[in-house]
Amino acid sequence: DAGITQSPRHKVTETGTPVTLRCHQTENHRYMYWYRQDPGHGLRLIHYSYGVKDTDKGEVSDGYSVSRSKTEDFLLTLESATSSQTSVYFCAISESGWDSKYEQYFGPGTRLTVT
Amino acid sequence: AQKVTQVQTEISVVEKEDVTLDCVYETRDTTYYLFWYKQPPSGELVFLIRRNSFDEQNEISGRYSWNFQKSTSSFNFTITASQVVDSAVYFCALGVGGSEKLVFGKGMKLTVNP
Repeated sequence: DAGITQSPRHKVTETGTPVTLRCHQTENHRYMYWYRQDPGHGLRLIHYSYGVKDTDKGEVSDGYSVSRSKTEDFLLTLESATSSQTSVYFCAISESGWDSKYEQYFGPGTRLTVT
Repeated sequence: AQKVTQVQTEISVVEKEDVTLDCVYETRDTTYYLFWYKQPPSGELVFLIRRNSFDEQNEISGRYSWNFQKSTSSFNFTITASQVVDSAVYFCALGVGGSEKLVFGKGMKLTVNP
């Protein structure tokens, strides 16, 4: 199994509070991703990183920011949490590259509830 | 734009039945990759298979088989002699050449009853 951990695994927070989710990998993979999973929507990409300090937006990036100061860590921040951000958040990693196979390996997920 | 459609949202079968999960994709790129992931009730996402656009050979792995047909833009997944442990949500995903992002279908929940 790919070495990916997410913290916290569960969190309940109040509307308007900032929240930071952490993804940590031990695989030294270049690419890291944040997805959210909601019923009826599958997995949707929030942001991704293609290297230290290199990030880009995904499909549903509004209300989220990310940072990657080290290869192994990718942080997702909700600046001011809203109830619509209640979801399960997955981090994924990929070795990637021009001739990559695009396989992404996923962390265990973080269940976030915004009340 | 890329798109993945999993028409079936939920299927329920009895153990030992064969079941096919359909996946239809849309892309204008000639180089792309297709994936299947499994999400059991425990919640983790497990990589099952990858296929690239240059390889239309079907694949069999134990009770699992995949049928890739570029002519119909489909990448279907068949489970033979299903078992209760196959109960999960299955996702089909598409990645295109030059992009590191995957587009996922909405998933299909399979329930295998004893």
